[in-house]
Amino acid sequence: GAVVSQHPSWVICKSGTSVKIECRSLDFQATTMFWYRQFPKQSLMLMATSNEGSKATYEQGVEKDKFLINHASLTLSTLTVTSAHPEDSSFYICSARGGFPDSPLHFGNGTRLTVT
Amino acid sequence: AQKVTQAQTEISVVEKEDVTLDCVYETRDTTYYLFWYKQPPSGELVFLIRRNSFDEQNEISGRYSWNFQKSTSSFNFTITASQVVDSAVYFCALSLTGTASKLTFGTGTRLQVTL
Repeated sequence: GAVVSQHPSWVICKSGTSVKIECRSLDFQATTMFWYRQFPKQSLMLMATSNEGSKATYEQGVEKDKFLINHASLTLSTLTVTSAHPEDSSFYICSARGGFPDSPLHFGNGTRLTVT
Repeated sequence: AQKVTQAQTEISVVEKEDVTLDCVYETRDTTYYLFWYKQPPSGELVFLIRRNSFDEQNEISGRYSWNFQKSTSSFNFTITASQVVDSAVYFCALSLTGTASKLTFGTGTRLQVTL
């Protein structure tokens, strides 16, 4: 079964509203989670690294004020797309790794965001 | 900086054919991990394999096999006797030890298996 749960699977929102996406590790504690973005028929691009109890680390070119990341517990990270615009429409996918250096990386099922 | 190249954008084969997906990577680090993921139309990423840079042994798992060659910086993936259910986008990825599993993905290869 899935070890990383992402919710919602898809969401449609109006331009200007904010959308929150949750990523949960189900049977392990994840000190670090990663948020990726995938445009249609393109590769996954890392947006940010979410660290439990501290600020996220954003990749170059990613607006941290627009993509708010909160990692309040060892099993939950959230990505909030603030004041969404149609160009934010994309597939967002999170990943998490267990606590051991050799732990495999697990991905959530992704969230398809459509901004109208 | 790391880079992963999947030169094949799209491959189409007939069921039962063998198919090899190419992956070439670039990194200056001597310690790294290589991955293959499958992304079916539903969108989720399915983990297929992780290989440590110090382990050049080829691996076989059922109809899947992987050929890791450090000399050519390649980590190719072969599906034997392909099936329609193998149709998906396949991503090769690389991470550096010590970067908490931050992955650099290739652009993916879309595999279409037809009857």
